[in-house]
Amino acid sequence: NAGVTQTPKFRVLKTGQSMTLLCAQDMNHEYMYWYRQDPGMGLRLIHYSVGEGTTAKGEVPDGYNVSRLKKQNFLLGLESAAPSQTSVYFCASSYFLAANEQFFGPGTRLTVL
Amino acid sequence: AQKVTQAQTEISVVEKEDVTLDCVYETRDTTYYLFWYKQPPSGELVFLIRRNSFDEQNEISGRYSWNFQKSTSSFNFTITASQVVDSAVYFCALSEVETGANNLFFGTGTRLTVIP
Repeated sequence: NAGVTQTPKFRVLKTGQSMTLLCAQDMNHEYMYWYRQDPGMGLRLIHYSVGEGTTAKGEVPDGYNVSRLKKQNFLLGLESAAPSQTSVYFCASSYFLAANEQFFGPGTRLTVL
Repeated sequence: AQKVTQAQTEISVVEKEDVTLDCVYETRDTTYYLFWYKQPPSGELVFLIRRNSFDEQNEISGRYSWNFQKSTSSFNFTITASQVVDSAVYFCALSEVETGANNLFFGTGTRLTVIP
C-alpha cells in the first residue's frame, strides 16, 4: 500500500499562474483533507471532503478550489497564485471523522514568486 | 482564540535526558479527541497517539508517555531517555466531535532538538 501520495513534491509558480495539486489514497478512506503549513502557524485546514462528489470549506479556503470526482483522489487548485500562498501543502485522509487518525501525504512545497 | 496552545516553540536537550512537551487545549465540547503527531526532518507527519475526552488514563508506549488532565485542559507528552532520532517538530491537535467533527485543530508545534 502506498498510503497517501501527493504530486508534485515541489513547484515554483509566478504570481497569477494556476496549478493543481493531486492527492491520492489507496486505503478506501471516505474523508480527505487539504492543509497548509506555514512557519509558526501549525497546520490549517483549507478544504475537506466527506465522500466522493462532496467538498466543504475549512479554516482558510480563500484562493483555493477542490474537487473529489473519485473517492481515491482529492485535487487542490490555485486559479491565480499569490505570494501569500507560498507554503507546504499536506493532504490527509481518514476513515470517516476527523476524530479518527489521519494519514498524511509527504507534502508539496509550493513557492509563488 | 487558539484552540490548541503549545507554548514551547523550541526545546533542546542532551541525549538521554527526559523532556516534556506541553499542550493546552480549549473546547466547549464534552466529546473530543486529542492527538500528538511527529514531524521529523523528512517532513511527513507521523501519528503518535489519540485520546478521547472520556479516557483520562495516562498511556505509556516504550519511551513515550502521555498525561491527560481534563481539570487543567492539558495533554502533555514526555519522552524518557531522549535519543537523537527524537529530534522533530511535535504537534498536538484537537478534534471536536460535537461542533467541528470535520476539522482537526493543530497547535503551532514544538521543535525538539536532541543533542548527542
